[in-house]
Amino acid sequence: GAVVSQHPSRVICKSGTSVKIECRSLDFQATTMFWYRQFPKQSLMLMATSNEGSKATYEQGVEKDKFLINHASLTLSTLTVTSAHPEDSSFYICSAQDRAFGDSPLHFGNGTRLTVT
Amino acid sequence: GENVEQHPSTLSVQEGDSAVIKCTYSDSASNYFPWYKQELGKGPQLIIDIRSNVGEKKDQRIAVTLNKTAKHFSLHITETQPEDSAVYFCAAKTTDSWGKLQFGAGTQVVVTP
Repeated sequence: GAVVSQHPSRVICKSGTSVKIECRSLDFQATTMFWYRQFPKQSLMLMATSNEGSKATYEQGVEKDKFLINHASLTLSTLTVTSAHPEDSSFYICSAQDRAFGDSPLHFGNGTRLTVT
Repeated sequence: GENVEQHPSTLSVQEGDSAVIKCTYSDSASNYFPWYKQELGKGPQLIIDIRSNVGEKKDQRIAVTLNKTAKHFSLHITETQPEDSAVYFCAAKTTDSWGKLQFGAGTQVVVTP
């Protein structure tokens, strides 16, 4: 089945620094990738939609200058948390769709646990 | 926009018994309903999905039913095993929503031996 790889799985950074998270579709091409955030014992909250070759679309309330998204190829999207603060600590998860199958299922990566100290 | 409600929030079952999780959705245009299983510290894993042109789908011990009129869908797990313990999320989306899923709040399922 479709595989989405996310890296790193865990990262600890100091307040004020930036962190980059990568999301790769390993065996399919993804025109669109999605970035979610999940707090403990809560559901997934969509942050932004990452479109290959164009600007990302952010959900209401998500700061685009703080969460920079780049979708440079059909298999890679990156999320950069800039000037991280402790409140940015969370579980970030990406997902992707297989371009070849139009309205195909969404497959998720294994998430990145970000801790900002 | 779409709103998905999921019940119960926690479910404890004895090994071998069945588990049922129910979701309702608000947007009658929604036509795709996946279910995801999330284990601790991992991303959600798609376990089964159903489209609005069918009323039921089954895959071994897992089945999903859809009632479009009532706008609700359910996940049924039979002969539960300890490895079924996880958080389960239902979701819904419309064809023109770019694959943007609206998730339910999740159900913590605990299967006790």
